[in-house]
Amino acid sequence: SQQGEEDPQALSIQEGENATMNCSYKTSINNLQWYRQNSGRGLVHLILIRSNEREKHSGRLRVTLDTSKKSSSLLITASRAADTASYFCATDSYNQAGTALIFGKGTTLSVSS
Amino acid sequence: NAGVMQNPRHLVRRRGQEARLRCSPMKGHSHVYWYRQLPEEGLKFMVYLQKENIIDESGMPKERFSAEFPKEGPSILRIQQVVRGDSAAYFCASSPRPHNSNQPQHFGDGTRLSIL
Repeated sequence: SQQGEEDPQALSIQEGENATMNCSYKTSINNLQWYRQNSGRGLVHLILIRSNEREKHSGRLRVTLDTSKKSSSLLITASRAADTASYFCATDSYNQAGTALIFGKGTTLSVSS
Repeated sequence: NAGVMQNPRHLVRRRGQEARLRCSPMKGHSHVYWYRQLPEEGLKFMVYLQKENIIDESGMPKERFSAEFPKEGPSILRIQQVVRGDSAAYFCASSPRPHNSNQPQHFGDGTRLSIL
């Protein structure tokens, strides 16, 4: 089955720097979503980008999607300590009837002050 | 406007016992999804339910696991005769429309199941 794979697995940066995470997937998609998970908590939806969109912004977040390369990137600008969390991409394919989101293993982001 | 509520947050069971995990979706949401997360892993889809119906259970083990979402009350994920390998965090998510409607899912904080 298709699976999003995030890269890098772990990322450590200083406050104020930008953080870029990448995600690759295997089959055609309906949309791709990014979620954040703080330690011991559930996932929080960040942004959804449809297959016919190439770029989307939400506050300090910027997501790009390249369907020809089957990849997406999440950029967090001017990072803060509160951005420390795990970030997951998830793909949703309308071709797989009844199947819910397929998640990657995530990127663990550490932002130090 | 309460989010997705899962209980208990932590559950400890001995091998062979039963575990019952509950999930109340967000108000107005009739689609519920269960996922399992092992340490350092992403979430793995288990089952997708709509009120009183199982839509897709392709991610759920054929034995010992069952799920329901009755007309009234929360969705229940039931694990019978638990084994050590069932230890994981189990997350529930909900949405107001089907999963392939270009919309996000809203997650609860999970139930952490530990098997002694």
